Amino acid sequence: KAGVTQTPRYLIKTRGQQVTLSCSPISGHRSVSWYQQTPGQGLQFLFEYFSETQRNKGNFPGRFSGRQFSNSRSEMNVSTLELGDSALYLCASSLAGTGKETQYFGPGTRLLVL
Amino acid sequence: GDSVTQMEGPVTLSEEAFLTINCTYTATGYPSLFWYVQYPGEGLQLLLKATKADDKGSNKGFEATYRKETTSFHLEKGSVQVSDSAVYFCALTRDYGQNFVFGPGTRLSVLP
Repeated sequence: KAGVTQTPRYLIKTRGQQVTLSCSPISGHRSVSWYQQTPGQGLQFLFEYFSETQRNKGNFPGRFSGRQFSNSRSEMNVSTLELGDSALYLCASSLAGTGKETQYFGPGTRLLVL
Repeated sequence: GDSVTQMEGPVTLSEEAFLTINCTYTATGYPSLFWYVQYPGEGLQLLLKATKADDKGSNKGFEATYRKETTSFHLEKGSVQVSDSAVYFCALTRDYGQNFVFGPGTRLSVLP
């Protein structure tokens, strides 16, 4: 079974631009979560989607948004990029997103904002 | 809110040494506890997990026991290998919505 895939793997943008990242979960998984990883803040939860609905959201500004499609693929968008948005963005999927399930992570998209 | 504390390292060991990485948590109720590992340039991989008190998770020679009384989930391995060099994250999750709370990560370097 194919793992979680994320595209693109690397991205360079400039301040003020916007960016869209994509995540394809493992087949059959309906829950998709997004995390931001930085050296200073570590791994921080952005949001989680299940059946096209956002169920949970972390403490990030409204510039960070996401959505999920009927095939469970998910996208996250960051508008008006800031230098501090440079990070590794990780996507994870699980079957139904219950607290006892394992999350399977993709390789991440590394975003550099100049 | 929920939080996870772990030794940040870096931890440097010789091959075949004994490894302990401490992890303690703060959470209400009965969270599920996980150890994930991140190799250079890769995403996170599940190493082991425990979903209730006194459960022991184990995988690839690594073990961790869910201790409710000390709110801990320490990672141990009896004999580390160079290939174990990576960053290890302790994490918990409590509810639907998969809001995982991660510790800061512990970088392990194993020297031959």
